[in-house]
Amino acid sequence: DAKTTQPNSMESNEEEPVHLPCNHSTISGTDYIHWYRQLPSQGPEYVIHGLTSNVNNRMASLAIAEDRKSSTLILHRATLRDAAVYYCILRDANGNKLVFGAGTILRVKS
Amino acid sequence: NAGVTQTPKFQVLKTGQSMTLQCAQDMNHEYMSWYRQDPGMGLRLIHYSVGAGITDQGEVPNGYNVSRSTTEDFPLRLLSAAPSQTSVYFCASSRRILGAYNSPLHFGNGTRLTVT
Repeated sequence: DAKTTQPNSMESNEEEPVHLPCNHSTISGTDYIHWYRQLPSQGPEYVIHGLTSNVNNRMASLAIAEDRKSSTLILHRATLRDAAVYYCILRDANGNKLVFGAGTILRVKS
Repeated sequence: NAGVTQTPKFQVLKTGQSMTLQCAQDMNHEYMSWYRQDPGMGLRLIHYSVGAGITDQGEVPNGYNVSRSTTEDFPLRLLSAAPSQTSVYFCASSRRILGAYNSPLHFGNGTRLTVT
């Protein structure tokens, strides 16, 4: 599976938007971009995924670069409950061996 | 739906003991997998299954066995526990869409295992 690169940590103020970047320069044409987050002492939870077009759901938006070599998870208004580790991973059509990196630790300040 | 259920939540073993971590899902998902997460680290794939009777190895399979006799259950067996297997274990499942496994993973709440 192709690898992803994320910053180790980011910090945001409460009520402000947060843009979490992810680089995946070796992405293949059939790789889906998935984002998960893990709150303290919990299992990861699905946030959003996409292939080529930007995606929106109730939790977040996913902006995918035109060349698909990078993507950005957008939390429109960060809350203290959004403090978590955010993982960006690629899942191909076989999708069997999902590799999680270290993720980005998001800290939200009140 | 209960989603993905893992039991037990906590377990302490002595070196050399064996045990089985249970994972069950009620969503009729074809794909199931086991991850371990060491303190401050990301998740590492141990084993996975794409359907009943089919299993394969992930990144760190040594010391672990799995089987998939039903769609619902995917137990993880530690045959002879070692301190290096102290970790939090997560089970995850997903359904198949249009022949591709690109649907979201659903995770359980984890089993915290300590081997002394």
